[in-house]
Amino acid sequence: ETGVTQTPRHLVMGMTNKKSLKCEQHLGHNAMYWYKQSAKKPLELMFVYSLEERVENNSVPSRFSPECPNSSHLFLHLHTLQPEDSALYLCASSQTGNQGRYGYTFGSGTRLTVV
Amino acid sequence: LAKTTQPISMDSYEGQEVNITCSHNNIATNDYITWYQQFPSQGPRFIIQGYKTKVTNEVASLFIPADRKSSTLSLPRVSLSDTAVYYCLVVDFSGGYNKLIFGAGTRLAVHP
Repeated sequence: ETGVTQTPRHLVMGMTNKKSLKCEQHLGHNAMYWYKQSAKKPLELMFVYSLEERVENNSVPSRFSPECPNSSHLFLHLHTLQPEDSALYLCASSQTGNQGRYGYTFGSGTRLTVV
Repeated sequence: LAKTTQPISMDSYEGQEVNITCSHNNIATNDYITWYQQFPSQGPRFIIQGYKTKVTNEVASLFIPADRKSSTLSLPRVSLSDTAVYYCLVVDFSGGYNKLIFGAGTRLAVHP
């Protein structure tokens, strides 16, 4: 256990479904991130939240909607996804500024399959 | 953001020392050099980080020459469980939030 917990670990959803991915960290970090990792591709940064405010949205389609209700929780709401959205979705947390030198902590990810 | 270049893949055998070199010619004064390890279907794990010279921890050593345009991750006496993808990144921690931009990494295969 890394201190960043993601649920569910696996998710299969149809293209018309709505589902949410959850991420929780108990490390006292104040920045949280969503990454997408498709097969044989590098990790792609999707969203960044710093001090509970969304500070980056890297051209992610609107069918992905993040939510950060507090510094410990991060959600990724999914609706009307496409098969090419099937991937490993990873959440990470860190401290901002110079304290970030102690590194990111990643969760184990949610393996999403869109059918 | 400084771009990094590292070999796509490497092979080694159990018990050998593995050195993975990363080039970062455009590294800036505020940038740190950071390495992560990723096993299949898991999130990356922080291994080691440095600014200059040599850093050592219980897992690896990181060698950084004076010009900081490259760095070498050294894994002593690898085992089968060290088979993973290793990412080299440069990160500026002087601002607010820090974002890690991952490249393709180096896929290390350790053989019996």
